[in-house]
Amino acid sequence: ETGVTQTPRHLVMGMTNKKSLKCEQHLGHNAMYWYKQSAKKPLELMFVYNFKEQTENNSVPSRFSPECPNSSHLFLHLHTLQPEDSALYLCASSSRTGAGYTFGSGTRLTVV
Amino acid sequence: SQQGEEDPQALSIQEGENATMNCSYKTSINNLQWYRQNSGRGLVHLILIRSNEREKHSGRLRVTLDTSKKSSSLLITASRAADTASYFCASTGANSKLTFGKGITLSVRP
Repeated sequence: ETGVTQTPRHLVMGMTNKKSLKCEQHLGHNAMYWYKQSAKKPLELMFVYNFKEQTENNSVPSRFSPECPNSSHLFLHLHTLQPEDSALYLCASSSRTGAGYTFGSGTRLTVV
Repeated sequence: SQQGEEDPQALSIQEGENATMNCSYKTSINNLQWYRQNSGRGLVHLILIRSNEREKHSGRLRVTLDTSKKSSSLLITASRAADTASYFCASTGANSKLTFGKGITLSVRP
């Protein structure tokens, strides 16, 4: 365990479903991130939260909606996704932006 | 534009040999980091080297940074089958954003 826990590990959802990904860290980190990892592409930064405030939205479609209720928890709410959204979604945290990141194991999402 | 680009894209070596992986970046950086990822898992932070450092060691890992050439290298000495994984470099610029390359797939044959 890295200290960053993501649930669920695997998720299959239809295009009309609504689901949420959860990320939790108790490392005392102040910054949390969502990344998308697709085959043969670099990791894509989606969202950055710093002290619970969103500081980066990397032109992510509105069908992805992040939520950060406190510094320890980060959610990614999903609705009306497309098959091309199938990917490994990784959560990470760091003590501050620019420091080394601690990643969770990811959620493997398949949209059918 | 992509900040980090690793080279080679894939590397296959025999156990016991050294593995050298290279990374180039485009703009000025505050630090450069190397990560490892086992198949289907999250990334694990290996080492961070600051822009004013030239070399850093951690166990069997040695990282160098040449800011004049905008490049870094990761050397794994005496490789083991368990080192088989994907390795990523990532750089942090003035905006503190960490930008990753596509990664290098390392296979260590027993």
